[in-house]
Amino acid sequence: QQQVKQSPQSLIVQKGGISIINCAYENTAFDYFPWYQQFPGKGPALLIAIRPDVSEKKEGRFTISFNKSAKQFSLHIMDSQPGDSATYFCAASIRGNEKLTFGTGTRLTIIP
Amino acid sequence: DAGVIQSPRHEVTEMGQEVTLRCKPISGHNSLFWYRQTMMRGLELLIYFNNNVPIDDSGMPEDRFSAKMPNASFSTLKIQPSEPRDSAVYFCASSKTGARNQPQHFGDGTRLSIL
Repeated sequence: QQQVKQSPQSLIVQKGGISIINCAYENTAFDYFPWYQQFPGKGPALLIAIRPDVSEKKEGRFTISFNKSAKQFSLHIMDSQPGDSATYFCAASIRGNEKLTFGTGTRLTIIP
Repeated sequence: DAGVIQSPRHEVTEMGQEVTLRCKPISGHNSLFWYRQTMMRGLELLIYFNNNVPIDDSGMPEDRFSAKMPNASFSTLKIQPSEPRDSAVYFCASSKTGARNQPQHFGDGTRLSIL
């Protein structure tokens, strides 16, 4: 019940295209959903996060869409650039509990 | 602002040796997390501390692993004795506890290889 399922495992997108990564969860007590971006040799860094009281959050080219009834959330990267090539992790946590449950990661490659 | 600082960045040692990984959290952060990352298992939380007290160590794989946080600015993760299956990248992260969940800030990790 603590799992967060992430797909796809890897994704190749052409420069300028839209990258979409999906996550699904079971535990309805989750109330914080961050996305982390990790470059090779670096630690994960917070990219964008959403709470279930909104259905969408946008920051620049990055958007989280959240569907509470379906228990799914997704990351959309608009106008994808080669610099976006990285591994992306979704995560979730329960209110009042700082423990993050991470998805398995998506390796995104943006090709020219 | 300095981020989370981990040392060493790389460690290669022989099976059976003691390994100590170190972490300095961001000043003012009162929660600290140790993670392990492998291809097979992804990112796993090993243990986390709040105000220097261990809160959840359910992810610590076995008694060979131990973690301490003697003060707000320093933590160690120790493996004794080390085994080849402990080879992984170990991350430390810190956050500031708040009324609602706050982002975790990760260090750049220690790449550990046990021969």
